[in-house]
Amino acid sequence: QITLTQQAESLWVSPGEKVSITCRASQSLLYTDGKHYLSWYQQRPGQTTKALIYHASIRTDGVPTRFIGSGSGTEFTLSIEDVQPEDIALYYCLQTLKKPYTFGAGTKLELK
Amino acid sequence: EVQLVESGGGLVKPGSSLKLSCVASGFTFSSYGMHWIRQAPKKGLEWIALIYYDSSNKYYADSVKGRFTISRDNSKNTLYLEMNSLRSEDTAMYYCAAAISRTRFDYWGQGVMVTVSS
Repeated sequence: QITLTQQAESLWVSPGEKVSITCRASQSLLYTDGKHYLSWYQQRPGQTTKALIYHASIRTDGVPTRFIGSGSGTEFTLSIEDVQPEDIALYYCLQTLKKPYTFGAGTKLELK
Repeated sequence: EVQLVESGGGLVKPGSSLKLSCVASGFTFSSYGMHWIRQAPKKGLEWIALIYYDSSNKYYADSVKGRFTISRDNSKNTLYLEMNSLRSEDTAMYYCAAAISRTRFDYWGQGVMVTVSS
């Protein structure tokens, strides 16, 4: 199965700063259609999990433009520019290239 | 408003069975593939099962294969997870999620807790 590694368990950030969360896959997530099957999710207490980014870099409808997905092959990054207090959450990457689908271990964004 | 509402969780003994339900509203349930994902206490997310929109295909994680069965009733907008031979390591919050394609999991429920303990 494909392993996704999110190295940082926690990241500390002040409001207004930029933060990057990385996700490394054990094999390329590029499919023959030219798209990467890597998506990012936000999990906040008391709220349903929210899809932020799909195909590595496309924002889901309604997601603020400060959320930016990038990367290719096996290395992917979720960047949050101008972090807002409501961005404090857990962030997960997910690969849907091959079954079993697998998540990264998650990165907790915390306020300094 | 899109909603996925899970139910059926609880405290059960090892070896027991339990059936979870997930009722969908606010979107065309019969057009979406449906997933079950779980999260053990203080742990990350684990995908455990997928059923296609028309029930034509079902897939499972190795950790639950042979013990759990995913099913759906499109006439009732409801997804199910039948869990047999439950183990302590199945203790987790169980979420259902809807996906129009394998691009992403579009909608998630709030989750239902399953605790397996003697």
